[in-house]
Amino acid sequence: DQQVKQNSPSLSVQEGRISILNCDYTNSMFDYFLWYKKYPAEGPTFLISISSIKDKNEDGRFTVFLNKSAKHLSLHIVPSQPGDSAVYFCAASANFGNEKLTFGTGTRLTIIP
Amino acid sequence: DAGVIQSPRHEVTEMGQEVTLRCKPISGHNSLFWYRQTMMRGLELLIYFNNNVPIDDSGMPEDRFSAKMPNASFSTLKIQPSEPRDSAVYFCASSSWGTANTEAFFGQGTRLTVV
Repeated sequence: DQQVKQNSPSLSVQEGRISILNCDYTNSMFDYFLWYKKYPAEGPTFLISISSIKDKNEDGRFTVFLNKSAKHLSLHIVPSQPGDSAVYFCAASANFGNEKLTFGTGTRLTIIP
Repeated sequence: DAGVIQSPRHEVTEMGQEVTLRCKPISGHNSLFWYRQTMMRGLELLIYFNNNVPIDDSGMPEDRFSAKMPNASFSTLKIQPSEPRDSAVYFCASSSWGTANTEAFFGQGTRLTVV
């Protein structure tokens, strides 16, 4: 039972354009969400997070949007750069980050120069 | 701090052999997680420890898998006997449990191939 779903296995975006990665969750107890970025042969690294008390969190070129009623979140990267090419994992936790993380299957983002 | 350290980076073994993966968490972190990455299921949580105590091992696939954390600076994940379907990348991660909104820090992973 996949509680965190990333339905797009891959995404290609032109350099300079906006990349939008999507994530859906089914567990209504989740109240803290994170995005991780993973390069080949490396472990995932934390990118940005959002608590359910917010609907938007921004950090430089990265913005995460949360729609609680739809149980949906998205990561926007603008402008996209070649170094953004990686696998992006969405993760969710309950108890405001004090519970274990449940990850999605990942989306491979390729930025086309 | 050097981050989460995993060894070995790569492991190739024959079916039926015992495999031991090792992890050194970040100093001061009190939670440790073992994940397995596969194409089909993404990052699956196998087991996690809090203050060296196993809290949830519901993700461990079967009895062939076991994990220990004898002290705050070391953990092992053992597969005995190993099977080809165990081939995957295994990640260890650590975090500060009880500190809200704290992300987990991952090691570089161990790529296991069982032939």
